[in-house]
Amino acid sequence: DVQMTQSPSSLSASVGDKITITCRASQTINRYLNWYQQKSGKVPKLLISAASVLQSGVPSRFSGSGSGTDYTLTISNLQPEDFATYYCQQSYSTFKTFGQGTKVDIK
Amino acid sequence: QVQLVQSGAEVKRPGASVRVSCQASGYTFTTSDINWVRLAPGQGLEWMGWMNPDSGNVGYARKFQGRVTMTRSTSTNTAFMELSSLKSEDTAVYYCARETAVSLVEGGIPYYYYGMDVWGQGTTVTVSS
Repeated sequence: DVQMTQSPSSLSASVGDKITITCRASQTINRYLNWYQQKSGKVPKLLISAASVLQSGVPSRFSGSGSGTDYTLTISNLQPEDFATYYCQQSYSTFKTFGQGTKVDIK
Repeated sequence: QVQLVQSGAEVKRPGASVRVSCQASGYTFTTSDINWVRLAPGQGLEWMGWMNPDSGNVGYARKFQGRVTMTRSTSTNTAFMELSSLKSEDTAVYYCARETAVSLVEGGIPYYYYGMDVWGQGTTVTVSS
């Protein structure tokens, strides 16, 4: 199975900050990489697919990049509603896997 | 609107089985795979498997093979996930999620990148003696 390793597992930031979350796959996944946001008690929300394609309605302060095995999610100008847990997920393999998540909380 | 509506919360004894349903509306049920994902307390999202509602083909995560069965009813646009031999560690919120593709053309060749864009509201399954 393709293993997904996210870092950091948690981070504290302030409103207006720029943050970056990284995700490394155990093998090349050719940009078959999605990012999800999950707020406490809520349903996960797809933010980005194909490593960098923003879903409709997702604010432009979210961006994704990467190739091969290494990918990043960047949130510029962090807003109060962005404090949540973020997950990467690979869809390269039929057997999909998530990263362990990155919890973003208020400093 | 497109939505997935799941069945209600369940409480089960260890060793029992649970069946969770996921009814789709607002789109053609047979055109998109359904995935099942769970979130256990203090843990991260865990992918359990997928099902193609048109063919009935399935694929299960190794961890759940032998314990999970995913089926569907095309007459009611409903997907089902049954997990057997329940343990306390199976206590979690279980989600169904529709998978759709973004198409990107690279070098004249279309590539399809799949993501889970619509999620059910979640079903809490508690396993306790």
